[in-house]
Amino acid sequence: SQKIEQNSEALNIQEGKTATLTCNYTNYSPAYLQWYRQDPGRGPVFLLLIRENEKEKRKERLKVTFDTTLKQSLFHITASQPADSATYLCALDMTGGGNKLTFGTGTQLKVEL
Amino acid sequence: SAVISQKPSRDICQRGTSLTIQCQVDSQVTMMFWYRQQPGQSLTLIATANQGSEATYESGFVIDKFPISRPNLTFSTLTVSNMSPEDSSIYLCSVGMATAGLEQFFGPGTRLTVL
Repeated sequence: SQKIEQNSEALNIQEGKTATLTCNYTNYSPAYLQWYRQDPGRGPVFLLLIRENEKEKRKERLKVTFDTTLKQSLFHITASQPADSATYLCALDMTGGGNKLTFGTGTQLKVEL
Repeated sequence: SAVISQKPSRDICQRGTSLTIQCQVDSQVTMMFWYRQQPGQSLTLIATANQGSEATYESGFVIDKFPISRPNLTFSTLTVSNMSPEDSSIYLCSVGMATAGLEQFFGPGTRLTVL
C-alpha cells in the first residue's frame, strides 16, 4: 500500500535560516505532489503543487523539488519567520485527477527568534 | 478559491449517540470530501460525496458508521453513528475546484470528543 513519510520529529530552526522538510513515498508514481500548511485548530491550506515532469517549483520564499527516482520531495522555506511555524503536510494524488489525496504524517516546524 | 464552513465547530458527545456534521461551500462544486484527523495524526480520507449519487467510501470506512448526504452542489453532511471514544477526532470537509487547479480547499474542521 502507499506509504508517505515526513520528518517524524519536530523541526526547530532560527529565524532567517532555511527550513527543509522531507517527504518520501513508496509503491507509487504520482503525477502530482502537493504541500499544505496546517495551523492548530484549522484545516490545511494549499501551498504548492509540483508535477512529475517538474524538478522544481517556487512561490515567494517557498521552493519545492520533486525527484521521482528517489521518490522524494523537499520543501524549503527561505528566510524563515516565526509566522512560518506550523505543521506542513505533503499529499499525493493517487488518481492523477486531483480527486483523492493521501496525506503524509506531517512535520511540525517551529521558527524561533 | 472556495470558502467552506462547518457546523458544529466542536462537540462533546456520549458514547452510543450520533452526531451530524454540516459542510457548506460558498460556490457549487462537484466533489466534496470528508477526512478524519485523529489526535496527533495526519488526515485520512473517509469518503467522497458526489451530488446525485451515493458516496464512495475508502477502505476501513462503511456507510452504516459514516452515512453521508449530498443534497445539492453546495452542501453535505457526515454523520458519525453509534459513537465510541475511538471516534474522537477532527472531521474535515474539503472541495476541489476545476477552476482553481488541483488543490483542495478545506473547512475549519469539527473537533469531536466522545466520552
